[in-house]
Amino acid sequence: DIQMTQSPSSVSASVGDRVTITCRASQSIGNDLNWYQQRPGKAPKLLIFGASTLHSGVPARFSGGGSGTDFTLTISSLQPEDFATYYCQQSYSTPLYTFGQGTKLEIK
Amino acid sequence: EVQLVESGGEVIHPGGSLRVSCAASGLTLSDNFMSWVRQTPGKGLEWVSVIYSAGVTYYADSVRGRFTISRDDSKNTLYLQMNSLRVEDTAVYYCARLGFHDYGSGKYPFWDYWGQGTLVTVSS
Repeated sequence: DIQMTQSPSSVSASVGDRVTITCRASQSIGNDLNWYQQRPGKAPKLLIFGASTLHSGVPARFSGGGSGTDFTLTISSLQPEDFATYYCQQSYSTPLYTFGQGTKLEIK
Repeated sequence: EVQLVESGGEVIHPGGSLRVSCAASGLTLSDNFMSWVRQTPGKGLEWVSVIYSAGVTYYADSVRGRFTISRDDSKNTLYLQMNSLRVEDTAVYYCARLGFHDYGSGKYPFWDYWGQGTLVTVSS
C-alpha cells in the first residue's frame, strides 16, 4: 500500500496568514494527489485534484503543488472558515486510494 | 443538486451483522462509481469498498470476505452489508461518488460528492 504522510499534524495560525501543509507519498504517484477539507461533524470536501487543479467553487486562495512524492497545499490568506482539518489522498493505486493522517489548522 | 443520504448506523455487538444504506438523488448510481469510505479517530479516513457502474466490486483487505457492497438501481440506493463485525469496524461510514477529470492521456479520480455519514459502533 502507498503510505501518505502529512506534516505538520497540527498548525496554529491567524486570519490573514499564509499556511503551507506538506504531504509525502511512500512512492512516486505522479500528479495523482487530491486535497480535502473537513470541518467538525461534516464530510470531507474536495478542494484540489491532480495535485494542483482547484475543484469547482473552491476559492483561489487555495493552491496545490508538487509531483512525484512531495506535495503542498497552500492557503494564501487564511479566512475564518478555513480553520478545519485537511487531508491529502493518493489516487494512483486503483482502487486502493489512501489518505494522509490529516493536518488540523487551528486559530492562534 | 446531488444528495447522498446514509442511514442504518447503530450500536451492534462484535460478531453481528448490519446493513447501511445510501439513498441518492440528482445522480444515477448505475452510471457512476460509488464508494464507501469510513473514518475512525484512530486510523483516520479509510477507503472500504467501491462498485463500478458495470457492477464490478473491490474491497479493502481489512473488510474483504466480511463486507459486501451492492446497489438497487430501482431505488437508486447503495448498500454496505457488514458481517462478522469487529470492534475496529467502529467508524462513521460515508458513501461517496468517485468522479473523474479527463486530461486527455488519462483521468484524475477523486471523491466529489459525499453523504453526511452514518455512525456504526461495534461494542459489547
